[in-house]
Amino acid sequence: NAGVTQTPKFRILKIGQSMTLQCTQDMNHNYMYWYRQDPGMGLKLIYYSVGAGITDKGEVPNGYNVSRSTTEDFPLRLELAAPSQTSVYFCASSPPGGPGETQYFGPGTRLLVL
Amino acid sequence: DAKTTQPPSMDCAEGRAANLPCNHSTISGNEYVYWYRQIHSQGPQYIIHGLKNNETNEMASLIITEDRKSSTLILPHATLRDTAVYYCIVRVLYGGATNKLIFGTGTLLAVQP
Repeated sequence: NAGVTQTPKFRILKIGQSMTLQCTQDMNHNYMYWYRQDPGMGLKLIYYSVGAGITDKGEVPNGYNVSRSTTEDFPLRLELAAPSQTSVYFCASSPPGGPGETQYFGPGTRLLVL
Repeated sequence: DAKTTQPPSMDCAEGRAANLPCNHSTISGNEYVYWYRQIHSQGPQYIIHGLKNNETNEMASLIITEDRKSSTLILPHATLRDTAVYYCIVRVLYGGATNKLIFGTGTLLAVQP
């Protein structure tokens, strides 16, 4: 299993541009999450999904959108990028009810908005 | 979710045991203690979790005090590859996806050669 994969690894955006961060997991996990991590800080939850077709907001959802059309994929959309969205973005997945519902994280996408 | 308190940084000599403390004095009876770590520039990695009994796996041991107000993560023989930020998190075990992980700033463990 590849686990959780994210693309791209790194991206530079200009203010006002938009992009989609891709996340795919091959572990058949129902739950998926998007976090952001600012320098020197812990992770903050942006959006999460409990299954295909079901998404909900986390702590810091403003400026982002998500969709979940399949179990495997959970893309994160940034509309009108702003410098405050410069961060590292991590996608994660977890099995419901399975070993403590531990979360498995992808390698991250580093985004710089100029 | 209960708030946790960890020292910002610790050093440990390679080959020695690393003992990372965590205070969670407001933990609820149904909340577990989880430990994750984040090696530089990588996604967090699950280490271990427990309720009140001590737990051990291939990576580490978790010691929880009897009153559950604090715990210690033990890496028995630290290596340079264990240098990372270690996060102590408390959460309900099967609370579903809404049972989010609340990451503080963690403890930066630096293993010295």
